[in-house]
Amino acid sequence: GQNIDQPTEMTATEGAIVQINCTYQTSGFNGLFWYQQHAGEAPTFLSYNVLDGLEEKGRFSSFLSRSKGYSYLLLKELQMKDSASYLCAVRDWRGNTPLVFGKGTRLSVIA
Amino acid sequence: DGGITQSPKYLFRKEGQNVTLSCEQNLNHDAMYWYRQDPGQGLRLIYYSQIVNDFQKGDIAEGYSVSREKKESFPLTVTSAQKNPTAFYLCASSMGPQGGNTEAFFGQGTRLTVV
Repeated sequence: GQNIDQPTEMTATEGAIVQINCTYQTSGFNGLFWYQQHAGEAPTFLSYNVLDGLEEKGRFSSFLSRSKGYSYLLLKELQMKDSASYLCAVRDWRGNTPLVFGKGTRLSVIA
Repeated sequence: DGGITQSPKYLFRKEGQNVTLSCEQNLNHDAMYWYRQDPGQGLRLIYYSQIVNDFQKGDIAEGYSVSREKKESFPLTVTSAQKNPTAFYLCASSMGPQGGNTEAFFGQGTRLTVV
């Protein structure tokens, strides 16, 4: 079976750092993706990990440990506009097989 | 500009009626997908197609149908057999295997409400 878990909600303060965790159990593994989704809008791609380690992209970083089935998304210097849902997704086979999504983490950034 | 377009953005349907949601992409992507999103449920896969004239059922295909007659288009029909069709529907596309392991690009979504 396939199972992807992430916290339902998180709250953080403007200017701070927040880490959103994702654990997964899938029949295969060929990459983990993070998306950002504002309410009522389409998800937009943030990052991709297929090898262990940290990928950094400006204020956003994503980490992967394949042996632990674990990833996190790190958001630095939080801004109010970062208030959104963050979706963790796994591709379990090669090529263009569908992504399997977790339920998403709703992040609220407060002043 | 390349992208993926869904229409309409909002759709109202009477109970017992079929309705078709449009999805068009000009990214030259081989694969296209339909997901459904309900509050607290995340994205659930309805149908997907990896090549023209071929498609596969996802996890929640009952009450839905699709076609893939052209590479650019992947319409979704919500039939009267779908018991709870009110939801946010998202269409996505991605490159074929020759493009490596690439992300999916999403349309802006269609919010369907049964009245």
